[in-house]
Amino acid sequence: AQKVTQAQTEISVVEKEDVTLDCVYETRDTTYYLFWYKQPPSGELVFLIRRNSFDEQNEISGRYSWNFQKSTSSFNFTITASQVVDSAVYFCALSERGYSTLTFGKGTMLLVSP
Amino acid sequence: GAVVSQHPSRVICKSGTSVKIECRSLDFQATTMFWYRQFPKQSLMLMATSNEGSKATYEQGVEKDKFLINHASLTLSTLTVTSAHPEDSSFYICSATDRSSNQPQHFGDGTRLSIL
Repeated sequence: AQKVTQAQTEISVVEKEDVTLDCVYETRDTTYYLFWYKQPPSGELVFLIRRNSFDEQNEISGRYSWNFQKSTSSFNFTITASQVVDSAVYFCALSERGYSTLTFGKGTMLLVSP
Repeated sequence: GAVVSQHPSRVICKSGTSVKIECRSLDFQATTMFWYRQFPKQSLMLMATSNEGSKATYEQGVEKDKFLINHASLTLSTLTVTSAHPEDSSFYICSATDRSSNQPQHFGDGTRLSIL
C-alpha cells in the first residue's frame, strides 16, 4: 500500500524567510511518481511538479526547489524568500504511474505574514 | 496547458435534493476522471475513478447509489449526489487525465456543496 506523510501540519513564517515542507512516502513499487500541489484559500488545486522515481535530480523553478532523496524516501519542497501569496495548503502526493490514482498526504498549511 | 472546468462552483440546497456536478476537460480527451471529496482542513479523499464508457470504480466506503457517476464522453463526467443530507456537505473536486499521453491529473476548481 502507498502512503504519504507530511508531518508538518502548519508552518508560520515571516515574509522573505526560506521554508521547507517535508514529504516522506512509502511504496512497494519500483516505478512511481511524486507530486506537489498548492491549494490556496479559494480551493483549487494548482499543480507544481511531477517527478518520476528514476529521476533524482533536484529541480529549481524560480523561488521553488525540490529535493528528491530515494535513500530516505523523501521529496521535500523549499520556498526561498517566501511571500504572502505563498500562503496556502501544500499537498504532496504519490502515484504508481504518472496519470493514475493519487495518494495524498494530509497537507501542510503555510502561513506567510508580512 | 490542460484545463478542467467544474461546475457549479458552489451549491446551497435543502436536504433531500439531488445535486449534479459537472466536470469537463476543455482541451484534451479525458480517458479517466477522478472524483475527490475534501472535508474542512483535511486532505483529498478519492471517491471513485471513472473511465470513459464504463462503470465507475468506487473506493471502499463510498455508496455508489448515493454518489452516481457518469462518464459518457471523453470530455464530460458528472457526479450526482442523490437525496443529499447535511452530512454530504463538503468540497468536491474532480480531476481528469489522458492515459494515452501519460498526462498527470489536472484538477477542476472544485464545488463547495452545502446542504441545509
